[in-house]
Amino acid sequence: NAGVTQTPKFQVLKTGQSMTLQCAQDMNHEYMSWYRQDPGMGLRLIHYSVGAGITDQGEVPNGYNVSRSTTEDFPLRLLSAAPSQTSVYFCASSKQGRDTEAFFGQGTRLTVV
Amino acid sequence: QQQVKQSPQSLIVQKGGISIINCAYENTAFDYFPWYQQFPGKGPALLIAIRPDVSEKKEGRFTISFNKSAKQFSLHIMDSQPGDSATYFCAAIKNTGNQFYFGTGTSLTVIP
Repeated sequence: NAGVTQTPKFQVLKTGQSMTLQCAQDMNHEYMSWYRQDPGMGLRLIHYSVGAGITDQGEVPNGYNVSRSTTEDFPLRLLSAAPSQTSVYFCASSKQGRDTEAFFGQGTRLTVV
Repeated sequence: QQQVKQSPQSLIVQKGGISIINCAYENTAFDYFPWYQQFPGKGPALLIAIRPDVSEKKEGRFTISFNKSAKQFSLHIMDSQPGDSATYFCAAIKNTGNQFYFGTGTSLTVIP
């Protein structure tokens, strides 16, 4: 079982560059989300989606865009990278419903210089 | 504003000891409380979860204690082992479903 697959695992960007972090899941989950993890701040929600064609902002959406054209894929775009976006990014998916388990990818460690 | 407050930020326990991590929340719309475990270089993974209609849930050496009136819940790891060394996140989900609100995490180190 592949579960949630994130690519790349590591990335170094220069300030101002753009890039897309890929996320794919093969569990037919309706709900997908992106988090960033920073020391002492836990997991903060960037954007989420409750199904194909539907996305919404989380706690820290500025500087990021998402789209959900298929159930399987939920890419995160950094429009113009800034050093403040240096972080570890996690994609997660879950079935609809409150007694649900979130499945996380392995993470992408992004450094913006 | 952090909707789920978690403490301590870090914890060092001797092998065989009890590790206790605490979380608190304010929003009464939360009605599902999972704990996630994260090893270095990996994504978080579900460890154990509880609904507020029970006061305790035990799975092996891991126990969640839940105090609905105080809006607090805690994770107890009995007979802590070096392999338990990881970061632990508490979380809460509203009765409307799906969106997870995570605590800030606790880095647990179990010393042999």
